[in-house]
Amino acid sequence: AQSVAQPEDQVNVAEGNPLTVKCTYSVSGNPYLFWYVQYPNRGLQFLLKYITGDNLVKGSYGFEAEFNKSQTSFHLKKPSALVSDSALYFCAVRDQAGTALIFGKGTTLSVSS
Amino acid sequence: DTAVSQTPKYLVTQMGNDKSIKCEQNLGHDTMYWYKQDSKKFLKIMFSYNNKELIINETVPNRFSPKSPDKAHLNLHINSLELGDSAVYFCASSQREDEQFFGPGTRLTVL
Repeated sequence: AQSVAQPEDQVNVAEGNPLTVKCTYSVSGNPYLFWYVQYPNRGLQFLLKYITGDNLVKGSYGFEAEFNKSQTSFHLKKPSALVSDSALYFCAVRDQAGTALIFGKGTTLSVSS
Repeated sequence: DTAVSQTPKYLVTQMGNDKSIKCEQNLGHDTMYWYKQDSKKFLKIMFSYNNKELIINETVPNRFSPKSPDKAHLNLHINSLELGDSAVYFCASSQREDEQFFGPGTRLTVL
């Protein structure tokens, strides 16, 4: 069965520093991987996806993610964090039937000024 | 223009009542979804609906029933509400297997 793990409940980083939010996955077949962000009392916003192609995927708001097949990871990164990046981040994988997303438990990113 | 909209945003009701949440998307997508986010922020798929085919998640109680009057709408009806149904419910849509677009959520509180 498809699954996603986000090992960190919270990531703290100072503004201007690089950030990484970790995600590992377990899938049968080729993975369809996604990152979403949720701001307080809001819906989820799509950041980026990996379907195929380049292992480094660029997305919205300066975020990028690196797909690593051997480590089954899809870590979210940003070179320079902003206070406004503080939010809840979800990694997700499309289920085998292609009918829905299976989400990780979420990682709260806190960027301090 | 709002891509995926849900009404109401907040819903407070008594145990045992029946309630509905409406969802509309103006993106022209062919697939719509309902997700439940619990108090620990864990997100889980409830249903997905692709044109004429409804895919039911077996872990969802049959008190929950999605209804799709057309491709742009997917409503969620809940019978005999229970305390454990309290959560935030998100509607989403996508074009086939592309990324999903989420609505703002409906916070359901069952008293």
